[in-house]
Amino acid sequence: SQTIHQWPATLVQPVGSPLSLECTVEGTSNPNLYWYRQAAGRGLQLLFYSVGIGQISSEVPQNLSASRPQDRQFILSSKKLLLSDSGFYLCAWSIRGEQYFGPGTRLTVT
Amino acid sequence: AQKVTQAQTEISVVEKEDVTLDCVYETRDTTYYLFWYKQPPSGELVFLIRRNSFDEQNEISGRYSWNFQKSTSSFNFTITASQVVDSAVYFCALSEAWSSGSARQLTFGSGTQLTVLP
Repeated sequence: SQTIHQWPATLVQPVGSPLSLECTVEGTSNPNLYWYRQAAGRGLQLLFYSVGIGQISSEVPQNLSASRPQDRQFILSSKKLLLSDSGFYLCAWSIRGEQYFGPGTRLTVT
Repeated sequence: AQKVTQAQTEISVVEKEDVTLDCVYETRDTTYYLFWYKQPPSGELVFLIRRNSFDEQNEISGRYSWNFQKSTSSFNFTITASQVVDSAVYFCALSEAWSSGSARQLTFGSGTQLTVLP
């Protein structure tokens, strides 16, 4: 069966520091991968998605970036965090239709 | 453009009551998918159901049931005999029909916070 992992689970970082969040999927090949952010107030915002290695599409201009160095690995990065980057970051994968989400990373930028 | 509206921001019920969560959607696509997800306090989104636009049969899974009505662009979710463990935020979502090689994006509603009181 498929499993999706995200780490770290929680992170507190100062403004201006770099960020790297990692997501890996097990038990499937060539999945579509997604990064979402959920700010306080519950709305889910799609940040990036990828249909294959090295293929990244960005939905919202921001100081974040994403990379997919391997088939089942998706990384969310920032060179300098802003206060507004605080939120709950969710990675998801899909093969057909429905998306399956990871446990999330709660990021607090101080 | 696609849009999903969950007009109920918060709902509180007492255990064993039935509760219906409303979802209204907008899309220009003739073929699309509808979804419901549950987000418990732990944060992880749990997939509950996917519905194809060409299949308007209602579905029941245990205490959960879904009423899809294309004529009113609604995909409502009912929990029968609610339990405390049903307390969570519930999201309705919409996507274009899946096709090979594409990443169909989900458009989420803003969610409904359901609280089931003992």
